[in-house]
Amino acid sequence: DIVMTQSPLSLPVTSGEPASISCRSSQSLLHSNGNNHLDWYLQKPGKSPQLLIYLGSNRASGVPDRFSGSGSGTDFTLKISRVEAEDVGVYYCMQGLQTPFTFGPGTKVYIK
Amino acid sequence: QVQLQQSGPGLVKPSQTLSLTCAISGDSVSSDSATYDWVRQSPSRGLEWLGRTYYRSKWYNDYAESVKSRITINPDTSKNQVSLQLISVTPEDTAVYYCTKGYKWAFDIWGQGTMVTVSS
Repeated sequence: DIVMTQSPLSLPVTSGEPASISCRSSQSLLHSNGNNHLDWYLQKPGKSPQLLIYLGSNRASGVPDRFSGSGSGTDFTLKISRVEAEDVGVYYCMQGLQTPFTFGPGTKVYIK
Repeated sequence: QVQLQQSGPGLVKPSQTLSLTCAISGDSVSSDSATYDWVRQSPSRGLEWLGRTYYRSKWYNDYAESVKSRITINPDTSKNQVSLQLISVTPEDTAVYYCTKGYKWAFDIWGQGTMVTVSS
């Protein structure tokens, strides 16, 4: 199975400031079709996870443009250009390259 | 707007069968571009993908090895829903269970989650 790791696991942020989360996979997520099969999800308190970014860098429908995803192969980054209060929660990366799909341990983002 | 509505008991006795249903609105369980997956979440195991069903001219299933001997995911085309059955449950199966829709190798729609406790 592909192992996903994230850092940091806890991230205090200041409203209006940028934030960045790193995700690493135990093997390359680059498919022969040229896509990186890496997704980002946000789980707000008490809610189901919601898709933010798919295939490494594509924002899901309705996701604000302050969220961006980058990276290739085994190293990926989620960036929030200016954190807002509604962005608090746990962020997960997930590899969708091969079953079993696997998730990172999560990064808890909270306002300082 | 696709929505997934989960239903099923929140308490299951050890050794019995966990059964959950996911009713799909706004899409078809037989869609040739989607998959319907089950994911669970527990403090000890985090988010764990369990398996999926999908239709590509015929029905397919994939299951995680960790539960492969105990799990069945079935589509019900007459009711446009997907079911999850997990047999011989133990307290380690206690978790929040989510039904999700897979599209473009991501889960773009999630059900509301069902907290299932395995206890006598």
